[in-house]
Amino acid sequence: EPEVTQTPSHQVTQMGQEVILRCVPISNHLYFYWYRQILGQKVEFLVSFYNNEISEKSEIFDDQFSVERPDGSNFTLKIRSTKLEDSAMYFCASSLRGSGVNEQFFGPGTRLTVL
Amino acid sequence: RKEVEQDPGPFNVPEGATVAFNCTYSNSASQSFFWYRQDCRKEPKLLMSVYSSGNEDGRFTAQLNRASQYISLLIRDSKLSDSATYLCGTSGGYQKVTFGTGTKLQVIP
Repeated sequence: EPEVTQTPSHQVTQMGQEVILRCVPISNHLYFYWYRQILGQKVEFLVSFYNNEISEKSEIFDDQFSVERPDGSNFTLKIRSTKLEDSAMYFCASSLRGSGVNEQFFGPGTRLTVL
Repeated sequence: RKEVEQDPGPFNVPEGATVAFNCTYSNSASQSFFWYRQDCRKEPKLLMSVYSSGNEDGRFTAQLNRASQYISLLIRDSKLSDSATYLCGTSGGYQKVTFGTGTKLQVIP
């Protein structure tokens, strides 16, 4: 069964450093997403991406965040200058559709720890 | 009012029991509804989409009540392996899914 993969599984960084989280969505999916989950809290939407551009973003997704699809398979989330409050689990997801019943499938996540 | 609300639980039920969770949503424009299962420190896994007519998948039954803006999940004959947090999610016909905080289920031997 096809699945979303993410690397690394755990990233530890110092405050102010840049991090890049990587994802390989399911191969025939067209819509890609990043969500985050702070420990003990709900899963929160960050951004959606379709046709090589951002289609929707949340208030969390400020200028410190950016996404890119550098090639035909990878989808990345960059945080330019990490803050302590960026510590969370970051999930990548993908879906075949962007509207209607847009079932989204999640990767295993990257646990980001900012010290 | 939160966009998606769930009782956080925990629901502690014996093996073999039937358990039901409800979830309410505030956005009347919501078009798609989902139940996900999340194990501790793991990713959400899609359990089922919820259709207007209701749908069943084995021991799991989901219902949607648009008039009252809630969805439900019924689990029959609970197994130990059903222990997890169940997330309700809605989508307004656009791309993002808005999740509730989840309901924790613990099935006891």
